[in-house]
Amino acid sequence: EVRLVESGGVLVQPGGSLRLSCAASGFAFRTYWVSWVRQAPGKGLEWVANIKEDGSEKYYVDSVRGRFTISRDNAKNSLYLQMNSLRAEDTAMYYCAISSGFYAWGYWGQGTLVTVSS
Amino acid sequence: QLVLTQSPSTSASLGASVKLICTLSSGHNNYAIAWHQRQPEKGPRYLMKVNNDGSHIKGDGIPDRFSGSSSGAERYLTISSLQSEDEADYYCQTWGTGAWVFGGGTKLTVL
Repeated sequence: EVRLVESGGVLVQPGGSLRLSCAASGFAFRTYWVSWVRQAPGKGLEWVANIKEDGSEKYYVDSVRGRFTISRDNAKNSLYLQMNSLRAEDTAMYYCAISSGFYAWGYWGQGTLVTVSS
Repeated sequence: QLVLTQSPSTSASLGASVKLICTLSSGHNNYAIAWHQRQPEKGPRYLMKVNNDGSHIKGDGIPDRFSGSSSGAERYLTISSLQSEDEADYYCQTWGTGAWVFGGGTKLTVL
């Protein structure tokens, strides 16, 4: 069974830091680009960051570039998002996701909630 | 600029069919897209990839009632024999240079 399980979401103060994790199982994690996508309350899906299969390429949405860092550990089948200098507008459900144009296959986790508030 | 446009909402009756539309911005007619479903209180679900030639490849466990097609800059998601659990937000997504682009989503109400 394919599973993507996110963790690490909490209530954090503005300016604070947080590390999200995503544990993958049931498929060849190391062969896919993997992404973080978020959904703020009442808003649509917003892509946050992508990382290539071997971690050699990383891309970010403009609003998080320089504050967030995506990384992966293929030996542990895990994806991470280090979030620094958090702002109220980063409040959202964060999802680990795969949507492969090459393999025409995708999967989503259930999400982890990040709330940035004083 | 690569942009995906979706109607904000639509409705259809139980048992009927509905066709959702995702429009690619000018100059991007050859892009493939993916469709995702976001049911209330659930995580998103990958539905399928739709190519510019109209072919589609569905994700794991996606019912036959869901199909994809395309015409020019438009990509479609057709849901037949609508069920109550199909009431959800549907997002199209494509692949830019290293980045993903999402449409704004269409809220489908099943009457």
